[in-house]
Order: sequence, then structure tokens, then C-alpha cells
Amino acid sequence: AQKITQTQPGMFVQEKEAVTLDCTYDTSDPSYGLFWYKQPSSGEMIFLIYQGSYDQQNATEGRYSLNFQKARKSANLVISASQLGDSAMYFCAMREGNQGAQKLVFGQGTRLTINP
Amino acid sequence: ETGVTQSPTHLIKTRGQQVTLRCSSQSGHNTVSWYQQALGQGPQFIFQYYREEENGRGNFPPRFSGLQFPNYSSELNVNALELDDSALYLCASSLGTSGSDEQFFGPGTRLTVL
Repeated sequence: AQKITQTQPGMFVQEKEAVTLDCTYDTSDPSYGLFWYKQPSSGEMIFLIYQGSYDQQNATEGRYSLNFQKARKSANLVISASQLGDSAMYFCAMREGNQGAQKLVFGQGTRLTINP
Repeated sequence: ETGVTQSPTHLIKTRGQQVTLRCSSQSGHNTVSWYQQALGQGPQFIFQYYREEENGRGNFPPRFSGLQFPNYSSELNVNALELDDSALYLCASSLGTSGSDEQFFGPGTRLTVL
């Protein structure tokens, strides 16, 4: 079963608009973490934001915020005031549990294109 | 603070050959994870090393093996290369194995198997 689902293969947004990238997850572990990474064409995965399953507040990092809806098992990334440099692949990832190997399980990604 | 580095950047091999990829972890990080990212896919976990011991493995055959050295740098070895091994190989380092430890990724090694 797919653990992380990103249903938007591609998104096109006008510069300066806000954009929401969808992510739903599946786990039975009460302790987990959710991550968003940006991958430009150079290939490096750039960490954007983290949300722990027990965090009471939605995570925010500058222009990035995470809309965490635990009951719906969704962790959507919101980018405010988009910029041309935001064009890249975006991956949602989950880490289950708090012991042992901390492997990340990634979704298929969403390609975001910001138009001038 | 030096980030995660990987070498080589690109590599071309033929089917059946063996390859070694290298990763230097971020300063102070004792945990290294390796991921394979096929074209158009998300990365998939290969294995993780913590203080020179394998600390978990994904669904990859034994011909994928690794090492971690006392300075916490790491190698990924792939024997008997197959065409499907063509991918971007990403290395990530973290300070430990706690659930909230952020993994910092390197730029990757792009392997092409002909």
C-alpha cells in the first residue's frame, strides 16, 4: 500500500500567488514525522519543513507552512508569495516510529512551475 | 560547516560491472542513509549506517552493500550491475537516529548502466 500519496504530478502557478501541494499519508504508528523536500534540477534534496505527529501547532518556516490535518492524514505544503526560484520537484516524506533506522518514505513528487 | 558531499557526480558503467559510490557526512553527523531515485520517482531507502554498523535496510538485494568508516563517511557498493540500477543515488546524514533528526542530503551521484 502506498504510504505517501501526492496526487498532483504537476502544478502551474503565477508568480506571487500562493500554492498548496497535497500530501496524504498512511500509517498505524502513533509516532511519526512528516517532511517536505524541494529538489531542483541539480538533484539535491533541500529540506523545507517538518511536522511531528504530536505537534499541536502547524509548522511554519518563512514562506512555507504545513497544513497538518491528523484525522484526515494529510500534510499539505503551502508556499506563500511564490517566486520563480520555487520551480522544482517537491516531495512529501514520512518517517515512522522513534527507534531504529529512521528511513524516509517518499511520495512520487509534484513538479511545481512558477510562471512570470 | 561542510555539507554532505558525494563522489563521483556522474558515472557510466556496463551491465555486470561493480561500482563504489562515496559520501562524506556533514560535520558532527554519525548517521548516513542511502537512497536510490529512479527517473521520475521519489527516492527509495536502501540502508542506513549508524556508528559504523548497518542500522536498517530497505527492499534491496544483497548485491547492494555498504560501509561506514570511523570518520562516519560511507560507501555504497553495487555488484553485478543491472540496467535498472540506473538512477540518482542520494546520501543523507543526520546527527543521530532520533525520530526528529533532520536528514541533510548530498547532491547525489547519477549512475548510468549500459
